Amino acid sequence: QVQLQQWGAGLLKPSETLSLTCAVYGGSFSGYYWTWIRQPPGKGLEWIGEINHSGITTYSKSLSSRVSISADTSKNQFSLKLTSVTAADTAVYYCASGPDRAKTGYWGQGTLVTVSS
Amino acid sequence: DVVMTQSPDSLAVSLGERATINCKSSQSVLYSPNNENYLAWFQQKPGQPPKLLIYWASTRESGVPDRFSGGGSETDFTLTISSLQAEDVAVYYCQQYYSAPHTFGQGTKLEIK
Repeated sequence: QVQLQQWGAGLLKPSETLSLTCAVYGGSFSGYYWTWIRQPPGKGLEWIGEINHSGITTYSKSLSSRVSISADTSKNQFSLKLTSVTAADTAVYYCASGPDRAKTGYWGQGTLVTVSS
Repeated sequence: DVVMTQSPDSLAVSLGERATINCKSSQSVLYSPNNENYLAWFQQKPGQPPKLLIYWASTRESGVPDRFSGGGSETDFTLTISSLQAEDVAVYYCQQYYSAPHTFGQGTKLEIK
């Protein structure tokens, strides 16, 4: 049973860099797709981007200039960095994964990141 | 980007009755070489991450009750709950994974009438 546990700073100032990490337990890290999704308070889901088992990344066009997703296969972890944050980046950030894009069946618990001066 | 539009935004259904949620994509998400629709449905309850219910438009995820079913093709899809239970109160999202970004619908809030 795959479980995802995520962590990172929950309060940032404008212009700082958001950094979150997601650890994978109980399953193979290889062969999967690893995704970050966010949800502003009271709103819907926004796909941020993914990294696949070959290390290839794909990002949302609206965030591509500020976002970076990486993986450390030796630690079974993948990470999200989002630079130059503003209040508009305030959201619950989720890591998620699955054996292919169709089956994003594993989710982290979510991390609320608040951007405020 | 593929725009996903759900209807209605909210829905109230009596216990035991059928609930139907619609999802329309701005372009076809049917991949002809494998004849699969790249469409998933998620359920989200307050304070929880989303839960995968359906993928490939109509394949139920393991452990999901068979009262949940998905249908449709190309640009028009439905999620049906055949007999609403109290635990089905949630927000439901469709998502296309045909092309990046893998966009979600705005969500449909399902409540008990």
